[in-house]
Amino acid sequence: SQQGEEDPQALSIQEGENATMNCSYKTSINNLQWYRQNSGRGLVHLILIRSNEREKHSGRLRVTLDTSKKSSSLLITASRAADTASYFCATVRPAGGTSYGKLTFGQGTILTVHP
Amino acid sequence: DVKVTQSSRYLVKRTGEKVFLECVQDMDHENMFWYRQDPGLGLRLIYFSYDVKMKEKGDIPEGYSVSREKKERFSLILESASTNQTSMYLCASSFLPGTYNSPLHFGNGTRLTVT
Repeated sequence: SQQGEEDPQALSIQEGENATMNCSYKTSINNLQWYRQNSGRGLVHLILIRSNEREKHSGRLRVTLDTSKKSSSLLITASRAADTASYFCATVRPAGGTSYGKLTFGQGTILTVHP
Repeated sequence: DVKVTQSSRYLVKRTGEKVFLECVQDMDHENMFWYRQDPGLGLRLIYFSYDVKMKEKGDIPEGYSVSREKKERFSLILESASTNQTSMYLCASSFLPGTYNSPLHFGNGTRLTVT
């Protein structure tokens, strides 16, 4: 089953409004990452938040992490039509042994920003 | 900027054919990944590799194999393509072995149709 689950599945807003997307996960994590995907393209990394961090900012993006509730949120402020895309959270579980960062993705939130 | 290049954007193959999907990255990344993306199922990890000639099964390896003969190149092989392998295939790479705090860099995807 998917580790991360985004909510809502789809979000439609007007330009200038804020967009909030949520992500819940089931097991303990090392970090949580948010990615963006424009239609028909690959994913682009937006922001990474470590398990010992509670909030992180990057430009118009604000990510929060609540490990007690196993949830994260992505806030896009003052949205633009160009923000229209799918947004995915991905979790990295603590793992021993081999040195890799295996991400598990949720199903994504489709954000539409109307001009 | 990291560039991950997938050899084909669109591919149409017949059932039973052997199919090769190629991926090349130009940033000397140790880790490389193959995901498939399907509506309603999100991204699922097929195989990954953390070094040349090393490979690990992901969540859905059945029907696939991989090859990593050179650090920059990671190939996904469908030994005998079937219609249920029609999907978008995404290759990704990441740096910093030994930690998990490394974002993935994705290619633009190969949309494979098996008829």
